[in-house]
Amino acid sequence: ETGVTQTPRHLVMGMTNKKSLKCEQHLGHNAMYWYKQSAKKPLELMFVYNFKEQTENNSVPSRFSPECPNSSHLFLHLHTLQPEDSALYLCASSQDAGGPSGELFFGEGSRLTVL
Amino acid sequence: GESVGLHLPTLSVQEGDNSIINCAYSNSASDYFIWYKQESGKGPQFIIDIRSNMDKRQGQRVTVLLNKTVKHLSLQIAATQPGDSAVYFCAENTGTYKYIFGTGTRLKVLA
Repeated sequence: ETGVTQTPRHLVMGMTNKKSLKCEQHLGHNAMYWYKQSAKKPLELMFVYNFKEQTENNSVPSRFSPECPNSSHLFLHLHTLQPEDSALYLCASSQDAGGPSGELFFGEGSRLTVL
Repeated sequence: GESVGLHLPTLSVQEGDNSIINCAYSNSASDYFIWYKQESGKGPQFIIDIRSNMDKRQGQRVTVLLNKTVKHLSLQIAATQPGDSAVYFCAENTGTYKYIFGTGTRLKVLA
């Protein structure tokens, strides 16, 4: 079992659909992140949660809505997305977002295609 | 603005040769750097990291070099193998949760 698990691995949705991405970490970390990875672009930070509290919203459109019910689970709710939102969405965790710098542990990603 | 970049988008090396992947960063206050490997269809995987109080760190077949004077980071892979084929990118930590990632270099290992 990997440290960070993301479901679904692939998702195709229409612009009017509502779907959710799920992330679960089994590492005992306190910080969780959502990143967007588009072709030929660097990873873009979307949201950061530290001890279940959102500490960063990197100017993400409201059609993306995160939820962090506890330190082990993170969701990304999607609604009325645009085709340009098609990308690989990566979840990551780290020991503590406010502590000494440490590595990010990534999940395998959810490949999203918006038609 | 602050950025992390890579000199070469694609690097092809012969199997068994050494690979060197380079990265430039612009934030002199960054104190922690990471190299990630991302294989097709997978998430980024940690390879090695280095803190700013060091200039070299070695792992198994990999070495990271940090030159703070010219803000340059490199990843050296010894005896490159087919399984090393992937996209490699560096990340710099500019404080707490702020990581800046490069676009990546694709490493192709030729048999």
